Parts: sequence; structure tokens; C-alpha cells
Amino acid sequence: SQTIHQWPATLVQPVGSPLSLECTVEGTSNPNLYWYRQAAGRGLQLLFYSVGIGQISSEVPQNLSASRPQDRQFILSSKKLLLSDSGFYLCAWTIPFGEAFFGQGTRLTVV
Amino acid sequence: AQTVTQSQPEMSVQEAETVTLSCTYDTSESDYYLFWYKQPPSRQMILVIRQEAYKQQNATENRFSVNFQKAAKSFSLKISDSQLGDAAMYFCAYRSAGNQFYFGTGTSLTVIP
Repeated sequence: SQTIHQWPATLVQPVGSPLSLECTVEGTSNPNLYWYRQAAGRGLQLLFYSVGIGQISSEVPQNLSASRPQDRQFILSSKKLLLSDSGFYLCAWTIPFGEAFFGQGTRLTVV
Repeated sequence: AQTVTQSQPEMSVQEAETVTLSCTYDTSESDYYLFWYKQPPSRQMILVIRQEAYKQQNATENRFSVNFQKAAKSFSLKISDSQLGDAAMYFCAYRSAGNQFYFGTGTSLTVIP
């Protein structure tokens, strides 16, 4: 069966520090991969999605970037975090024409 | 980008009663998919129900059903015989043919015992 792993679960980082969140999927090949951010009490904002290795589409210009170095690995990064980057980050994968399956999420607090 | 609108930030329902959550979306596509997700306090996203736009028949999953009005671009969720475990944030989601996956702002559902 397919599983998705996302880590870390929680993270507290100072302003100006770098960020790296990792997401991996098992049990499937060539998944579509997504990064979302959820502010407190708000909806999910699509940040990046990828349909293949090295193929990244950005939905919102911001302080973050994403990479897909391997088929089932998706990384969210920042060189210098801002206070506004705080939030709950969710990774998800889908099959073509299917629903999204989500990781457990990472709660990021920038202080 | 397509937009998904949930106009009800909060809803409440008595246990065992029925509640309907609203969702509208904006798109120029003819082929797409719609979903409702549930997010309990654990924040794990759980799929509730899905609807393919090419299907005229409304999807049902046990106590959950949808009213899909393609011309009106409306996709509401009906929860029958509400249970305490139904209390959660509910998100409407749109998946485009181009693999983008957009979510609404959510409706917080409270179930009153």
C-alpha cells in the first residue's frame, strides 16, 4: 500500500535561518506531488506541485522554493525564513485523476 | 488559477440531524474533479467524498452525499444523521485536468449533543 512520510512534525526556527522540509512517498511511482501551507484557522494554499523529477510549478511567488531530486521525494526549502512563513505545511501526492493523500504535516514556527 | 469558495466559515448541527455545507468554484474547464475533505483536530486530512464532473449522478458515501450542479458550479455536501465524530473542518477541493489541486477556506462544523 502507498504511504507518505513528512518530517519533521514540528519545527521552531529563528528569522533568517534556512528551512528544509522533506516528503517521501512509498508504494507508487511517478506520483504528482504537492506542498500546501495552512495558516491558523485558514484554508490550504497551494504552494508548489510537481508532475515529475525536476518539474516544479509554483503557484505563489514567495520566499520558498521546492525541489524534486527523486521520483518520490519532494523538498520544500527557504534560504532565509520570515515571520510570515509560520504555518502548517502539508505534503500530498495523487495519482492521475485521483484524490490527494496527505502527510501528517509540519507545524513551523518562525521566531 | 481556479478558485474555490466556501461561504460558511462555521456551521452547527444537532446530533442526528442533517446539515449541508456549501461550495462554489470558478473554472473554464469541462473536465475536473471535486472533493470534500475532513480535517479533525489532529489536522490529518481525510477524504470524505469525490465527484467526477462528467458524471451527472451525485456521489454518495454512507451518510455523506453531494449535490453537484455543474452549470451553477456548485458542489454542496450533505451530512445525514450527524454524529459527534463529524465535528471537524471541512474543505471543498477542485482538481483540474492540469493536475492543480485547489482548496477552499473551509467550514468549521460543530455537532451539538
